[in-house]
Amino acid sequence: SQKIEQNSEALNIQEGKTATLTCNYTNYSPAYLQWYRQDPGRGPVFLLLIRENEKEKRKERLKVTFDTTLKQSLFHITASQPADSATYLCALSTDSWGKLQFGAGTQVVVTP
Amino acid sequence: DAGVTQSPTHLIKTRGQQVTLRCSPKSGHDTVSWYQQALGQGPQFIFQYYEEEERQRGNFPDRFSGHQFPNYSSELNVNALWLGDSALYLCASSYGTNNEQFFGPGTRLTVL
Repeated sequence: SQKIEQNSEALNIQEGKTATLTCNYTNYSPAYLQWYRQDPGRGPVFLLLIRENEKEKRKERLKVTFDTTLKQSLFHITASQPADSATYLCALSTDSWGKLQFGAGTQVVVTP
Repeated sequence: DAGVTQSPTHLIKTRGQQVTLRCSPKSGHDTVSWYQQALGQGPQFIFQYYEEEERQRGNFPDRFSGHQFPNYSSELNVNALWLGDSALYLCASSYGTNNEQFFGPGTRLTVL
């Protein structure tokens, strides 16, 4: 069966350190993978998109890698800040129309 | 630009009732997708509308139906509500094959 797995345990990290989140998938051939941020009671907010033929993408303090052989994406937040505290969702799509399959998300807590 | 808007914000219904949720996409967007998010889970794809037609559908029963209007706004209808339908219902809009999706704040549905 198809699965998208993210670490269910909250990631507690000290301000200034790098947070690294993992997204593993099985029985998918994604055309692209996206990362979203979600705050409690709010809708997800798009952060980064990486296509199947790309290895790495960066945006400001964010970096995402995509390894289709390992079927894994890593999401990094460098120089983390308390404002980065949120749940981060990984989402896959197998077509260009935008149907997204989401993981359950990983909560990140950044302490001063 | 108001972004994606949804109404109502909260809704309480009893089992067996019917509900209609509404979504206005971001200006310039022509595609609307609906997701259901249970507590502690990632969003689950319900269906997607483009050019007033249902283009894709997730694994949801026929009790879930929708509509898209000429101005691209959309409705989600759920018939014969049961307790398991209690969730946050999210609307997301996008344009063409630009896969970044913009989510609304969601409608919190509680079925008693």
